[in-house]
Amino acid sequence: GQNIDQPTEMTATEGAIVQINCTYQTSGFNGLFWYQQHAGEAPTFLSYNVLDGLEEKGRFSSFLSRSKGYSYLLLKELQMKDSASYLCVGGSGAGSYQLTFGKGTKLSVIP
Amino acid sequence: DSGVTQTPKHLITATGQRVTLRCSPRSGDLSVYWYQQSLDQGLQFLIQYYNGEERAKGNILERFSAQQFPDLHSELNLSSLELGDSALYFCASSVTENTEAFFGQGTRLTVV
Repeated sequence: GQNIDQPTEMTATEGAIVQINCTYQTSGFNGLFWYQQHAGEAPTFLSYNVLDGLEEKGRFSSFLSRSKGYSYLLLKELQMKDSASYLCVGGSGAGSYQLTFGKGTKLSVIP
Repeated sequence: DSGVTQTPKHLITATGQRVTLRCSPRSGDLSVYWYQQSLDQGLQFLIQYYNGEERAKGNILERFSAQQFPDLHSELNLSSLELGDSALYFCASSVTENTEAFFGQGTRLTVV
């Protein structure tokens, strides 16, 4: 099975940098995704890490450490529209692949 | 627009009834996932299909069933509905099983 933990809520100021942490315990782990979900809307894909290290994509970066079962999503130059839930998602299995979603971190960006 | 189409967008029905939710995946995607999201809850994985075959089952109730057809669209059938089944039901699709999934806009089911 899988267990994904991430903070429930965070607040940050417009223009600042925020780091959302995620720890996972999973068998057959083979990748970690981050999704963004605005209230009442569908999740949208942000990033996918398979190997250890940092993946940078514009204002968003994601880091993975497989040995520590740890990932983070880094958001720079925060904008009001970044207020959303950020979902840490573990991919596991081969042959019966599953995505297991964390409960999400609700980020509020304030002026 | 993710390319994943779910119908209907909204559904209101009474307890004890049966409904069918429909999902058309992105063109070329073989894998379809169904998720349930209750109010203020995380996404709960229900079931996954790959190229017509069931691949994985999550917390899916026995009253619920799903299938993926030869044209790769999928249907989620919910029967003997209860008030607690009221939720957003998302369908997602991906090219293969270990690539990013794209989500439809969801079907909001309200059981009264």
